[in-house]
Amino acid sequence: NAGVTQTPKFQVLKTGQSMTLQCAQDMNHEYMSWYRQDPGMGLRLIHYSVGAGITDQGEVPNGYNVSRSTTEDFPLRLLSAAPSQTSVYFCASSPREGTSGLANYGYTFGSGTRLTVV
Amino acid sequence: AQSVTQPDIHITVSEGASLELRCNYSYGATPYLFWYVQSPGQGLQLLLKYFSGDTLVQGIKGFEAEFKRSQSSFNLRKPSVHWSDAAEYFCAVGAPMDSNYQLIWGAGTKLIIKP
Repeated sequence: NAGVTQTPKFQVLKTGQSMTLQCAQDMNHEYMSWYRQDPGMGLRLIHYSVGAGITDQGEVPNGYNVSRSTTEDFPLRLLSAAPSQTSVYFCASSPREGTSGLANYGYTFGSGTRLTVV
Repeated sequence: AQSVTQPDIHITVSEGASLELRCNYSYGATPYLFWYVQSPGQGLQLLLKYFSGDTLVQGIKGFEAEFKRSQSSFNLRKPSVHWSDAAEYFCAVGAPMDSNYQLIWGAGTKLIIKP
């Protein structure tokens, strides 16, 4: 089925460990983003990409790294996990709208990765 | 700066009753407006969106929302809720001229359905 696939669904890390959250989409969407969701805080943008080879920081980028070598994949790397990074992480993608260059914001979300850092 | 406020953290509604979830935004011009729904343990799903034109927007699952410029609001409504509507609902705002495609999200409203 077409959509956004996130792996793993659950992960427990020890403080200081590193890991990569995987995100892949098969809809040829140009725009991809990573959010974290914490209770009472809605969604906060970590990093985003407007196309292969182009990434930029969102609202809460510290402690995370991303790359976009292909249109399909947008992995999120935790460099040295901290308890403050315990959260649910969502990857989302969106196509570009027409010729205006603006995304249509009809995001497709993955099902999330629940990360616990102990 | 843009902001989105969902004043109600929780709302409890009886099954079959009508529903209105509130969303207010702060933005200097007409923004793009969205409602998403998140069922427990799931990702977010787009319910409806407003870009321009008719201020009453129809979405999936029988939901609608009305853009009121004078009130800077984009409230979500449903005439008769079903137990399956129990979920968390998020309002979001996008800036039409923001080429960075970022959305600003409300904190969410959790909908509880009484049998």
